[in-house]
Amino acid sequence: DVKVTQSSRYLVKRTGEKVFLECVQDMDHENMFWYRQDPGLGLRLIYFSYDVKMKEKGDIPEGYSVSREKKERFSLILESASTNQTSMYLCANSLTDQPQHFGDGTRLSIL
Amino acid sequence: GNSVTQMEGPVTLSEEAFLTINCTYTATGYPSLFWYVQYPGEGLQLLLKATKADDKGSNKGFEATYRKETTSFHLEKGSVQVSDSAVYFCAAGNRDDKIIFGKGTRLHILP
Repeated sequence: DVKVTQSSRYLVKRTGEKVFLECVQDMDHENMFWYRQDPGLGLRLIYFSYDVKMKEKGDIPEGYSVSREKKERFSLILESASTNQTSMYLCANSLTDQPQHFGDGTRLSIL
Repeated sequence: GNSVTQMEGPVTLSEEAFLTINCTYTATGYPSLFWYVQYPGEGLQLLLKATKADDKGSNKGFEATYRKETTSFHLEKGSVQVSDSAVYFCAAGNRDDKIIFGKGTRLHILP
């Protein structure tokens, strides 16, 4: 089975901090994704990557950046955290044109 | 672009009741359609998919039929169990790895 591991299940940070959310996969999948999940809004795509050192903006990239230096790791960065970035963050990966596999999520609170 | 609309929850049923969760989509071309499920404390996992008109996806007693004429992909199960309590997401995409999710429907099954 594909395993997608998110480094933290729960994280609490303060406004203005730089926050790193890490996602690691144990299979050789090209594609990786970051979503945020909010009540009443479902999943919204923040960024995705189809290859190492490649990134593309999703639907809500503002306030975020990403890094993909190695195929197995896709990091989401909040440059200066704000309270409206309190959310559940989900990482996913896939082979090309195959369904996505999700991690268990990181619940991030910004105080 | 694609969009997905699914019925709002929460949906509360008694064990062994019949379940329907409605989903409709708008899309260019002929997208693949998916249902993902999110159990408490976990990420999303693929429940079933259909890739062309009149296809029926099925898994774990759940079924959904790709209806091109009504642009729908309703999820059904004949007899639900308490363990089916979860959030269900309908999704559509022209590539399996680039999909749009609905907002999710929370399902509660009472014993």
